[in-house]
Amino acid sequence: AQSVSQHNHHVILSEAASLELGCNYSYGGTVNLFWYVQYPGQHLQLLLKYFSGDPLVKGIKGFEAEFIKSKFSFNLRKPSVQWSDTAEYFCAVNSLGTAGNKLTFGGGTRVLVKP
Amino acid sequence: EPEVTQTPSHQVTQMGQEVILRCVPISNHLYFYWYRQILGQKVEFLVSFYNNEISEKSEIFDDQFSVERPDGSNFTLKIRSTKLEDSAMYFCASRWTGVSGNTIYFGEGSWLTVV
Repeated sequence: AQSVSQHNHHVILSEAASLELGCNYSYGGTVNLFWYVQYPGQHLQLLLKYFSGDPLVKGIKGFEAEFIKSKFSFNLRKPSVQWSDTAEYFCAVNSLGTAGNKLTFGGGTRVLVKP
Repeated sequence: EPEVTQTPSHQVTQMGQEVILRCVPISNHLYFYWYRQILGQKVEFLVSFYNNEISEKSEIFDDQFSVERPDGSNFTLKIRSTKLEDSAMYFCASRWTGVSGNTIYFGEGSWLTVV
């Protein structure tokens, strides 16, 4: 069964600092990878996704993520965070070929950006 | 941009009562999902639904849960006899089909409180 690990449960940083959130997955086959964000009191929103091609993907709001197949990783980055980036971030993996193509989520990382 | 819509946004119910959570998936989507997120925990897969039948379900999705697509537009989750531990945010999601349609779109969630 596939699993997704997010190493940091909580991250606190100041505005303009750089952010990197780790995500590792366990599945040997072809995967699609996603990062979702959940702002306080709001629903899950897609930040970015990787299906194939360039392993460096750019998403909304200045976020990017890099797929490193050899490390089974899909880390999320943002060079300079803003207070409005305070949210919980979820990495998710969709292993192709499984019935229903469900997403498996990591445990989430709560990010607090101090003004 | 098309959206997955869910009702109600918040429901409080007494233990043992039946609850129906409603979802309107994106109109041309063919795969439908329910996930839940207990406060402070990760997003968990409950069930996937395709071609008018369940294609996969998790161990959480026991006999007290059922799903239905009664009229070709709504997709409902019924919890027959709610328990305190059913208190969670329930997310509906939908997906088109085919490789390029592998993004799963989430609704805003229905917050269920069982008292």
